[in-house]
Amino acid sequence: DAMVIQNPRYQVTQFGKPVTLSCSQTLNHNVMYWYQQKSSQAPKLLFHYYDKDFNNEADTPDNFQSRRPNTSFCFLDIRSPGLGDAAMYLCATSRDRGGHTNTQYFGPGTRLTVL
Amino acid sequence: AQSVTQPDIHITVSEGASLELRCNYSYGATPYLFWYVQSPGQGLQLLLKYFSGDTLVQGIKGFEAEFKRSQSSFNLRKPSVHWSDAAEYFCAVTGGGADGLTFGKGTHLIIQP
Repeated sequence: DAMVIQNPRYQVTQFGKPVTLSCSQTLNHNVMYWYQQKSSQAPKLLFHYYDKDFNNEADTPDNFQSRRPNTSFCFLDIRSPGLGDAAMYLCATSRDRGGHTNTQYFGPGTRLTVL
Repeated sequence: AQSVTQPDIHITVSEGASLELRCNYSYGATPYLFWYVQSPGQGLQLLLKYFSGDTLVQGIKGFEAEFKRSQSSFNLRKPSVHWSDAAEYFCAVTGGGADGLTFGKGTHLIIQP
C-alpha cells in the first residue's frame, strides 16, 4: 500500500544534541509537510516543501531545519533541541496544491523526548 | 487569518448511541474542510473532506459531516458509535494552495459501555 513512513517512531535525545527525523512516502506526492504536535494540542505547521521549494512558517524557530533530497524523502533537523521541543512530529504529504489535490495524508509520527 | 473552533474538549457517549462533534471555522474564501481522527500515540487518519458540491459528505468508518456555509460549521456525525471510535478528533481547514492545515484543538471522544 502507498503510504507515509516515519522513522524512528520514538527518538530520545539529550538537551542540545542535534537530532534528525526522517519521513518517506511512496505516494509520489509533490508536497511534504512537517507538523509539531505538543501534548494535548493540535498539530502546528512548521514548514513544507512544494517539490524542491522550501516554505517556512513565519513563527518556526531557526532551530528547526528541513531537507528534501528527492521526491520520496524529507528530513527534519533540530539543531539544538531544548526541553520545549519534546513533542510528536508528524509528516504529511499532498499530491499537489489547489482544490482536492491538497488532501493531506499523515504518517504515524515520531515521538521526540529531550532529556 | 483562518481558524477552527471545536467547542467540546471532551464528549462521552454510550456505545450504540449517536454522535455529533461540532466544528466552526473562520475563513475568508471558500474553505476546504477535513476531519481527522487520532488514536493515542498515532498519526492522523483522514475521515472525510469537503471541497465543493454536495454539502453532506460521507467518510470512512460510518462517519458523515455536513457543511453549512451560513453557520460556518462542519459538524461530524455517526448514527451509532462503537468502542473502537474512542479517540481524538480534529477538524481542520485550508485554502486552495499548498497551505498547511489549521486545526481545531480537538475533541476527545470517550465511549462508555
